[in-house]
Amino acid sequence: GDSVTQMEGPVTLSEEAFLTINCTYTATGYPSLFWYVQYPGEGLQLLLKATKADDKGSNKGFEATYRKETTSFHLEKGSVQVSDSAVYFCALSQKANAGGTSYGKLTFGQGTILTVHP
Amino acid sequence: NAGVTQTPKFRVLKTGQSMTLLCAQDMNHEYMYWYRQDPGMGLRLIHYSVGEGTTAKGEVPDGYNVSRLKKQNFLLGLESAAPSQTSVYFCASRPSGRETQYFGPGTRLLVL
Repeated sequence: GDSVTQMEGPVTLSEEAFLTINCTYTATGYPSLFWYVQYPGEGLQLLLKATKADDKGSNKGFEATYRKETTSFHLEKGSVQVSDSAVYFCALSQKANAGGTSYGKLTFGQGTILTVHP
Repeated sequence: NAGVTQTPKFRVLKTGQSMTLLCAQDMNHEYMYWYRQDPGMGLRLIHYSVGEGTTAKGEVPDGYNVSRLKKQNFLLGLESAAPSQTSVYFCASRPSGRETQYFGPGTRLLVL
């Protein structure tokens, strides 16, 4: 079945450092890829997504590129802030076929805790 | 527009007790989901619904039941709670034809 693997955490950085959180996936067909973020005490919210190979998703200074050849969707940010401290989840959603939709189940990685210090 | 709301926020149960978690969305979404979040395991799908009056099993359905009598509400029931059901439960919804799911704030459940 489908699976998502994220780099082990937690990750601790100083403000303005460069961030990479690795994500690789195993899936058949044409999944869409997502990064969700969970701030302390809150539910998950979509950070960015990419729906096909070579697409780049971006939001709030974060970026991730859908790499089908390496089955990866690594999250990057050039300069992190204290307010970026959160748990980050990589996830995939299967389509029934190219251009189609499934019931939309999300398969999640285990999550990576990011702490940014001033 | 409240989005997705969940009731209660926190609950403590004794083994064998029953309870119902309520999820409500005001976005007229067709699809609704219940996930559980456990440390080091990400979120796993318990049950889902593709529309009013329909439900289906996800990855980890054992010990749970669901109902969707109204489009805006999705209820998750535990008939006889077990310590293994200690977790954080998230509800999510999405509109038909779109992939992004919208999550509620979660319910923290402790079963003693």
